[in-house]
Amino acid sequence: KQEVTQIPAALSVPEGENLVLNCSFTDSAIYNLQWFRQDPGKGLTSLLLIQSSQREQTSGRLNASLDKSSGRSTLYIAASQPGDSATYLCAVIAYDMRFGAGTRLTVKP
Amino acid sequence: NAGVTQTPKFRVLKTGQSMTLLCAQDMNHEYMYWYRQDPGMGLRLIHYSVGEGTTAKGEVPDGYNVSRLKKKKQNFLLGLESAAPSQTSVYFCASSYNRVYEQYFGPGTRLTVT
Repeated sequence: KQEVTQIPAALSVPEGENLVLNCSFTDSAIYNLQWFRQDPGKGLTSLLLIQSSQREQTSGRLNASLDKSSGRSTLYIAASQPGDSATYLCAVIAYDMRFGAGTRLTVKP
Repeated sequence: NAGVTQTPKFRVLKTGQSMTLLCAQDMNHEYMYWYRQDPGMGLRLIHYSVGEGTTAKGEVPDGYNVSRLKKKKQNFLLGLESAAPSQTSVYFCASSYNRVYEQYFGPGTRLTVT
């Protein structure tokens, strides 16, 4: 059974700092990995999708990497802003879809 | 495009009552999914559909039924026949073009069972 873990569960940083969120999974036989953002009381917004054959994807200040062999993905956020405050979820798609519990990020002005 | 929409946004049920949640998407996606989100547990897949008239169980299917009618394949219904307090949760619907493409989520339905 695929298990997805996100560390840390919560993170607080000052504005302008670069940061890394971690996602690990136990079964490397995956189709792809997707990073989402969730604001309080809202749905999920897709940030980046990495196919199993890819190593990384970039969108603006976000960069996601994937290392299937070690069962890890990271989401790098450059020059963080207060508007980046949200919960970040990773999801691993294999024969089903498994989510991590998320990292709650707070960026302080 | 409206994307993925869910009806209703909020609902309170008493134990034993039944209800149906409606999900609709206008992107002509083949795959549709129902998840529940509980504090500290992330999202868990309840059921999903791989096309009109075809559904499959996810991680936590017990107590739920789903339907995706051929005539309205853009709709995916989630039914609770006899609600229990353990089904208090936020329910999300999602859709994707196929399994390896990104999923798009609806805004969620907050269900409370008393």
